[in-house]
Amino acid sequence: DAMVIQNPRYQVTQFGKPVTLSCSQTLNHNVMYWYQQKSSQAPKLLFHYYDKDFNNEADTPDNFQSRRPNTSFCFLDIRSPGLGDAAMYLCATSRIGRLGGSWGETQYFGPGTRLLVL
Amino acid sequence: EDQVTQSPEALRLQEGESSSLNCSYTVSGLRGLFWYRQDPGKGPEFLFTLYSAGEEKEKERLKATLTKKESFLHITAPKPEDSATYLCAVRNYRDDKIIFGKGTRLHILP
Repeated sequence: DAMVIQNPRYQVTQFGKPVTLSCSQTLNHNVMYWYQQKSSQAPKLLFHYYDKDFNNEADTPDNFQSRRPNTSFCFLDIRSPGLGDAAMYLCATSRIGRLGGSWGETQYFGPGTRLLVL
Repeated sequence: EDQVTQSPEALRLQEGESSSLNCSYTVSGLRGLFWYRQDPGKGPEFLFTLYSAGEEKEKERLKATLTKKESFLHITAPKPEDSATYLCAVRNYRDDKIIFGKGTRLHILP
């Protein structure tokens, strides 16, 4: 069963046309992340939420915004996509708790949304 | 500045040929080191979290170890289905930021 769901899987938009990517989770994790990953590069953290507390990375462009209306859902809004924003956008969740007798953190990533900007 | 460096960038092995991937890190207070597997066009799949030097974790043919400066992902008798990019990431105590390395592309030849 899918635990972190991203929609759509593929998104094509035009230069400057706003786009929204969505992420939902069935895990009830309190931490959610948005990453941008370009071809052959490491994922780059854009934002993360601890519950409703929003944390913006210092180098995340203002063009990127995020919303988390409840525990299960998180959205990434790109207000005016440029050609350089074409990438895979990954959503992830995190749980910190007792795992197999010891405290630990487990992260789950969604399958990603591949964004193409024309 | 916190940094994660993975080596080698790419590795080709014959099926059954064991090897190790390296993740070197500098971080202002390590809160956790993570290993992931990523297949082309898919999101990373969580493998392990390590917290303190000397810690080891295993899963099937994979074993992750941690020292104060680096982590190794040991692959024993790999199979072609182990071919993927393996990513390492660290989280720091200062601002809870997660930083990824660029990954090691592993290719296991049958």
